[in-house]
Amino acid sequence: GEDVEQSLFLSVREGDSSVINCTYTDSSSTYLYWYKQEPGAGLQLLTYIFSNMDMKQDQRLTVLLNKKDKHLSLRIADTQTGDSAIYFCAESITGNQFYFGTGTSLTVIP
Amino acid sequence: GAVVSQHPSWVICKSGTSVKIECRSLDFQATTMFWYRQFPKQSLMLMATSNEGSKATYEQGVEKDKFLINHASLTLSTLTVTSAHPEDSSFYICSASPGGYGYTFGSGTRLTVV
Repeated sequence: GEDVEQSLFLSVREGDSSVINCTYTDSSSTYLYWYKQEPGAGLQLLTYIFSNMDMKQDQRLTVLLNKKDKHLSLRIADTQTGDSAIYFCAESITGNQFYFGTGTSLTVIP
Repeated sequence: GAVVSQHPSWVICKSGTSVKIECRSLDFQATTMFWYRQFPKQSLMLMATSNEGSKATYEQGVEKDKFLINHASLTLSTLTVTSAHPEDSSFYICSASPGGYGYTFGSGTRLTVV
């Protein structure tokens, strides 16, 4: 299957920006997603970006897509303790099959 | 890296029939696997946690008699949608955590009940 990679852990101080990175292998990906998983819960869709876009901003979240390097990032501005969770990136070509990264566990230090 | 294989990728079935979805860990043992269902706006709802050799733990609101989960071996968990109805049409995905760090997902199963 496709290979989607993320770092497993990230720690930031409250108020700082968090940047979670993701690389993928399939250049024909159409949709790229970021999900948030809080303990014991499902995966909440945070945002997504179409492959013909370079950037998408939604309040404190900024998604950057570098298609040449197949690199996706999620920036969380003014990170809060409530942002502590596991963040998954995922890609999809057709919308019917998804390929997820392993998840990045974000810890926000007060 | 760790791979989870999910089959089938898509299935169409008639209303009233049952459908089985398999989730296999190919190169690691998974004592625990997770089953999710995709809802509108593409969030994935956790349906149940599958435990090898014991009963699955279902989330609130998930009918255990309708969504049968069997985790008979360390590499295989199955989800059977019994007496499927059109409202069960959805995208189902499984995941496991090899070594307790990070998660590996199957590629998902698109179920359409007609």
